[in-house]
Amino acid sequence: QLVQSGAEVKKPGESLKISCKGSGYSFSSYWIAWVRQMPGKGLEWMGIIFPRDSEIRYSPSFQGQVTISADKSISTAYLQWSSLKASDTAMYYCARQSADHQDYWGQGTLVTVSS
Amino acid sequence: QSTLTQPASVSGSPGQSITISCPGTSSDVGSYNLVSWYQQYPGKAPKLMIYDVSKRPSGVSNRFSGSKSGNTASLTISGLQAEDEADYYCCSYAGSTIRYVFGTGTKVTV
Repeated sequence: QLVQSGAEVKKPGESLKISCKGSGYSFSSYWIAWVRQMPGKGLEWMGIIFPRDSEIRYSPSFQGQVTISADKSISTAYLQWSSLKASDTAMYYCARQSADHQDYWGQGTLVTVSS
Repeated sequence: QSTLTQPASVSGSPGQSITISCPGTSSDVGSYNLVSWYQQYPGKAPKLMIYDVSKRPSGVSNRFSGSKSGNTASLTISGLQAEDEADYYCCSYAGSTIRYVFGTGTKVTV
């Protein structure tokens, strides 16, 4: 099971860190993926992290725009922004990456950025 | 970043079969047998339906099947039911730089 942090409302320029806590499996042994879904739009793969050693791979579209991290001691992965933009408004999902597919998904975290 | 362009919508009557296409390129779908399909209801998280082109996770109905020919992957839903009305997304591995790319999504109407 993956449980994500609650909805956030932020202003442009603010920072934000959302979380994804895993349970019921060996969190350190599976990659965790982050996926964006903008309002009324499709899914976009952002990047993945391997909690055991924090190896990270970003999609070129999101490299430099967000920071992915994890703390294996508390089975939690994070997605972070240093300066939010209105265009970051979206639902963000974490998912367990099993080989080359996402087999379990979090419930999603809605991020709204508005002045 | 490449995008897999799916048909925006597909419709069918109960009991019929429908097929959703996921046209890719030789850099993604055509090069790897690593295509997965996800079902998403409005306001809900996606659910894995097919992986590795044609494998079904435990608990997914055998009415759902996947295939691939050349650069195009397909999801077929047979014996269409009202509960199948949802959005469906394909996803393919696209190499070590891009990693994974999702399709644009298809709304299935029953």
